[in-house]
Amino acid sequence: KAGVTQTPRYLIKTRGQQVTLSCSPISGHRSVSWYQQTPGQGLQFLFEYFSETQRNKGNFPGRFSGRQFSNSRSEMNVSTLELGDSALYLCASSLLESGANVLTFGAGSRLTVL
Amino acid sequence: GIQVEQSPPDLILQEGANSTLRCNFSDSVNNLQWFHQNPWGQLINLFYIPSGTKQNGRLSATTVATERYSLLYISSSQTTDSGVYFCAVDDTGTASKLTFGTGTRLQVTL
Repeated sequence: KAGVTQTPRYLIKTRGQQVTLSCSPISGHRSVSWYQQTPGQGLQFLFEYFSETQRNKGNFPGRFSGRQFSNSRSEMNVSTLELGDSALYLCASSLLESGANVLTFGAGSRLTVL
Repeated sequence: GIQVEQSPPDLILQEGANSTLRCNFSDSVNNLQWFHQNPWGQLINLFYIPSGTKQNGRLSATTVATERYSLLYISSSQTTDSGVYFCAVDDTGTASKLTFGTGTRLQVTL
């Protein structure tokens, strides 16, 4: 069974540009969540989607957005990039079975903003 | 929001040694997971353990929910155990919004 797939794995952008990251969850998983990891702030929750609806949102500015498609694949977008957006962006999927909800993470997309 | 503290922040062990990592959280939780982040950044789920005790090979974990802490035990450590160990909890009821601790960086030397 394939794991969570994130693309691209590495990318470099310049300030002011925008970026779109993609996440394909484990087959059958309907919940996809996104996290940002930086050396200064650690791992922080961005948002979570379930059945194409955003259910939870973290404390990030509106430049960070996401969506989920009918096949559960998800994308996140960051507009007007700032240097501080340089980070490892991690996507996780889960089955949301009752009684246990184990998040499985992808390998991440490492974004560098110059 | 919920606070998650991990200790120690850094740990250096010789191969074969045992260790205990601790995670304290400030409120009741309905999801607690331990992860290992390898040098390439991949977060690997070790345990889903909102309460009780579980074992998987050389690793075991115990969560005492009433006292708001969890422990991760690593026995007979190996160099491949090196990396950062994170505890993450969810208190929102949605079970998908994890708050991570700051991690314990473990280095296992020969």
